[in-house]
Amino acid sequence: NAGVTQTPKFRILKIGQSMTLQCTQDMNHNYMYWYRQDPGMGLKLIYYSVGAGITDKGEVPNGYNVSRSTTEDFPLRLELAAPSQTSVYFCASSYGWLQGRRGQPQHFGDGTRLSIL
Amino acid sequence: TQLLEQSPQFLSIQEGENLTVYCNSSSVFSSLQWYRQEPGEGPVLLVTVVTGGEVKKLKRLTFQFGDARKDSSLHITAAQPGDTGLYLCAGIGGAGSYQLTFGKGTKLSVIP
Repeated sequence: NAGVTQTPKFRILKIGQSMTLQCTQDMNHNYMYWYRQDPGMGLKLIYYSVGAGITDKGEVPNGYNVSRSTTEDFPLRLELAAPSQTSVYFCASSYGWLQGRRGQPQHFGDGTRLSIL
Repeated sequence: TQLLEQSPQFLSIQEGENLTVYCNSSSVFSSLQWYRQEPGEGPVLLVTVVTGGEVKKLKRLTFQFGDARKDSSLHITAAQPGDTGLYLCAGIGGAGSYQLTFGKGTKLSVIP
């Protein structure tokens, strides 16, 4: 079972370059999320989507863009890479958001380790 | 802004010892999740606790949600090297919020 697949696993960018981090899931989940994880800082939500064609900002959206043209794919775009965007990026998906008061489990990919030099 | 403080930040223990890690907040959460993350991988959900005072057991792991739904703990009995990893707690907030609030994690090393 593939689950959530992220590509690439590693990437080095120069300041000012752009790139797209790919994320695809095969679980037919409606909800998808992008997080960044900095050392010692936990995970912070960048953008999320509740379904195809619908996206919204999370806690730290500046410098990023997303699109959701299909249920399966949720790419994250960096337009002008900056050193502050050096981080590990995780994509996640879930079937829904809440079941009663219980949060639906989020299924994470293995991450993209991005360095901006 | 809802914050979750996890302690300790780092923990190194010998195989067979018991340990407890804590997740505290001044905010009330409707539910709280615990994830475990191994190096080079994404977090994997261990448990969700919903009711104040709730205790859940997962083999040697015991999770408790505080009565006021502001804090939680994870207790591991007879730790094994396979328990090594980063333990993250994440809170589900109020209605209309689609954000999980993650703590910074507790990095556990179990030495054989």
